[in-house]
Amino acid sequence: AQSVTQLDSQVPVFEEAPVELRCNYSSSVSVYLFWYVQYPNQGLQLLLKYLSGSTLVKGINGFEAEFNKSQTSFHLRKPSVHISDTAEYFCAVTLIQGAQKLVFGQGTRLTINP
Amino acid sequence: EAEVAQSPRYKITEKSQAVAFWCDPISGHATLYWYRQILGQGPELLVQFQDESVVDDSQLPKDRFSAERLKGVDSTLKIQPAELGDSAMYLCASSLSQTTRNEQFFGPGTRLTVL
Repeated sequence: AQSVTQLDSQVPVFEEAPVELRCNYSSSVSVYLFWYVQYPNQGLQLLLKYLSGSTLVKGINGFEAEFNKSQTSFHLRKPSVHISDTAEYFCAVTLIQGAQKLVFGQGTRLTINP
Repeated sequence: EAEVAQSPRYKITEKSQAVAFWCDPISGHATLYWYRQILGQGPELLVQFQDESVVDDSQLPKDRFSAERLKGVDSTLKIQPAELGDSAMYLCASSLSQTTRNEQFFGPGTRLTVL
C-alpha cells in the first residue's frame, strides 16, 4: 500500500523568505502526487498535481513542486511567502491504476511571521 | 463557481447520541467521498461512492457508521452511537469520475465535537 511522510510538522518562516515543505512517498507501483492547502476551518484546496511529463510542476499562488522518482520525493516550494500563505499543507498520493483513493500525509503547518 | 456543500458546519453532541451529516456534491460529479480528519492529522477516506454504489468502505467502522447516496446525488453520513473518539472534521469531496487523474473538490467540512 502507498504511504506519505511529511518530514516537518511545523515550518515557521519570515514574510518574503523562501520556503520548502518536504514530502516523501512510498509505493511499489506508479503514483500520482498532489499538494493540497487547508486554511483554518475550511476544506482542502488543490495547489498542484503531478500526473506525468515535466517533473517541475507549477501550481496556484506561486507554488511549485518537483517530482524526484529516484528519491521518491515531491517537495513543495515558494520563492517568497506572504502572510496569507499561513495554512496547513498536505501532500497526497494515489495509485495510477485502480480506484481513486487519496492517501494523505500528516500535514505541515506553515506559519508566516512579519 | 460550483462548490461542494456540507451541513451543518459545526455539531456538538453527547456520547451515545446519533448524528448525521449531509453533503451535496458539485452537479454532474459521479464520485463522492467522505473523509475523517482527526486534529493534527491528514484526512482518511471513510467511504467512496460511484453514483449510488459503494466502491470502497474498507475504513468505515460499520458497527456505528453508515453512509448512503440513494439517488446518486447528495449523501448522508450517520454515526450511531457517537463516541468520544469520533470528534473530528468530516470532509466531503466529489470528482467527475473515479479516474485517478480527476481532481477531488472538497467541501468546507463538518466539525464534530462529542462530549
